[in-house]
Amino acid sequence: KNEVEQSPQNLTAQEGEFITINCSYSVGISALHWLQQHPGGGIVSLFMLSSGKKKHGRLIATINIQEKHSSLHITASHPRDSAVYICAADSNYQLIWGAGTKLIIKP
Amino acid sequence: DVKVTQSSRYLVKRTGEKVFLECVQDMDHENMFWYRQDPGLGLRLIYFSYDVKMKEKGDIPEGYSVSREKKERFSLILESASTNQTSMYLCASSAIRNTEAFFGQGTRLTVV
Repeated sequence: KNEVEQSPQNLTAQEGEFITINCSYSVGISALHWLQQHPGGGIVSLFMLSSGKKKHGRLIATINIQEKHSSLHITASHPRDSAVYICAADSNYQLIWGAGTKLIIKP
Repeated sequence: DVKVTQSSRYLVKRTGEKVFLECVQDMDHENMFWYRQDPGLGLRLIYFSYDVKMKEKGDIPEGYSVSREKKERFSLILESASTNQTSMYLCASSAIRNTEAFFGQGTRLTVV
């Protein structure tokens, strides 16, 4: 069993829908990262959080330390949100990566 | 703005060739990383470096070596390229004791 698991692997939705991507981990962590990878390869950091909730525009990330679970939400989704979303757990300054969730938003 | 630059976006090399992938960062970061990314497997760490001339093996170092002669530059070397090294290669950097990583655009390497 992987130490960091994401679900779903693939997600296709219509423009405007509320999107949720989940990340569960089995190790002790000091922080949890969410990153976005667009077609073409470049990866950008979206959030780093260790408790509670963070919001940036239409993106919201939450984490429940007790349940070892984090979610990334996208409100009012748009085709430009289509990307691979990756979570990574910071465990003793080492990043343990989820396999990614491929999101496609159809117009 | 942090910038991590990889020398090539696309490379095609022949089996047996020695391949150099270069990565440069401009934020004076101590930590630099090389990952490969394959469908369904996510990012896997090949090598990392916490300082100049220092290197540590990651999860899949076999068939690779690295060089860090200057703080801003971290090179990945495929000593003798093989077809199973066809992959997307991603370089990243981060500040000391900080795991927020900044990535390059990636190099898609095809070994034929």
